[in-house]
Amino acid sequence: QKEVEQNSGPLSVPEGAIASLNCTYSDRVSQSFFWYRQYSGKSPELIMSIYSNGDKEDGRFTAQLNKASQYVSLLIRDSQPSDSATYLCAVLISGYNKLIFGAGTRLAVHP
Amino acid sequence: DAGVIQSPRHEVTEMGQEVTLRCKPISGHNSLFWYRQTMMRGLELLIYFNNNVPIDDSGMPEDRFSAKMPNASFSTLKIQPSEPRDSAVYFCASSLAGTYTIYFGEGSWLTVV
Repeated sequence: QKEVEQNSGPLSVPEGAIASLNCTYSDRVSQSFFWYRQYSGKSPELIMSIYSNGDKEDGRFTAQLNKASQYVSLLIRDSQPSDSATYLCAVLISGYNKLIFGAGTRLAVHP
Repeated sequence: DAGVIQSPRHEVTEMGQEVTLRCKPISGHNSLFWYRQTMMRGLELLIYFNNNVPIDDSGMPEDRFSAKMPNASFSTLKIQPSEPRDSAVYFCASSLAGTYTIYFGEGSWLTVV
């Protein structure tokens, strides 16, 4: 089992819709979770971090964490074509201080 | 502020040649990470340093790969000899130890033919 799993997509949504990106992880004691966005040909950039169960909102982005289910999600409201990118879920592996990434989900927002 | 700086940005080399990738972390950051990204395997952590000391190199694929960090502002990742399967984007990233927010460089795109 991979440490961090994501559906590779592509996830296609119309402009203005809500995009929902999901991630599961295997390390039951992980405490820190991150979402990175990567445009084609560019490096990953951090968009959200979440450490506690529940929701965390930042503008159009909401990260959701459920530690009991080992599940992290990212919601993008009012999706824009500029949101089209690959979204990488990352989990800090407890005790090792290393950030492990999922394979990423490619999001395509069409006008 | 300058971000993480990597060089070269692109390199094409022949199989068997030595490849050296370079990284300058963000000033003041004391953790440095080398990642490799391919379509097949995604973003893999190769090695990371805290305060110039290698902490975990379990992701280094084989003995052909080596990494050094002689000082707080410079690190190298060396592949010798290189093979076509080493073709990938190699990212260097840095962070303040304990913050867990890492910042990536623009990557070194390596093609081994």
